[in-house]
Amino acid sequence: GAGVSQSPSNKVTEKGKDVELRCDPISGHTALYWYRQSLGQGLEFLIYFQGNSAPDKSGLPSDRFSAERTGGSVSTLTIQRTQQEDSAVYLCASSSDRGGSGEQYFGPGTRLTVT
Amino acid sequence: AQKVTQAQTEISVVEKEDVTLDCVYETRDTTYYLFWYKQPPSGELVFLIRRNSFDEQNEISGRYSWNFQKSTSSFNFTITASQVVDSAVYFCAYTGGGNKLTFGTGTQLKVEL
Repeated sequence: GAGVSQSPSNKVTEKGKDVELRCDPISGHTALYWYRQSLGQGLEFLIYFQGNSAPDKSGLPSDRFSAERTGGSVSTLTIQRTQQEDSAVYLCASSSDRGGSGEQYFGPGTRLTVT
Repeated sequence: AQKVTQAQTEISVVEKEDVTLDCVYETRDTTYYLFWYKQPPSGELVFLIRRNSFDEQNEISGRYSWNFQKSTSSFNFTITASQVVDSAVYFCAYTGGGNKLTFGTGTQLKVEL
């Protein structure tokens, strides 16, 4: 079946602009995660959605970052007023596990470059 | 706080050699889960294995095997008879069931002919 998809695959933006990154999880997966992968910081958790529960936003680095998940499926990660340090690969993952301990399946990522 | 350490930054082997990737974790949780992921040059993280803290039985899947030892807080990964296609970055990860994965810094494995 179809895996996790993300769009766009690459995004180049100017400093100060807003960007939106999209994630389509595996159908039927109730859990959705966003991570960020950068050279200096490795793989970092950003935010977690589970069904209709309030999301765990504990990994968001600043209030410029936000995410929503509509209808329990597609998710959008928004970065406002982008900065050069936001340049990274943003990875989305989904899981069928409701307890937060199951294997996560990752999308191909969106490479964000802030110039 | 939980921590995952992969001390080996890069390993180079010749094809058909066996190679072991080390993973050490720190936690105060009694229940937790450990994972290995592979990130080939294409960039997509591929799930390899999940283990819970109550199951220390070693696991073998083809050329891959995993050794989980709670006494040393280690979850090592061995590739037997390595192949060029095994070249990738391998990540060890941890969760205490609190829904996020904590990743190690990864080990770059290069398998050469």
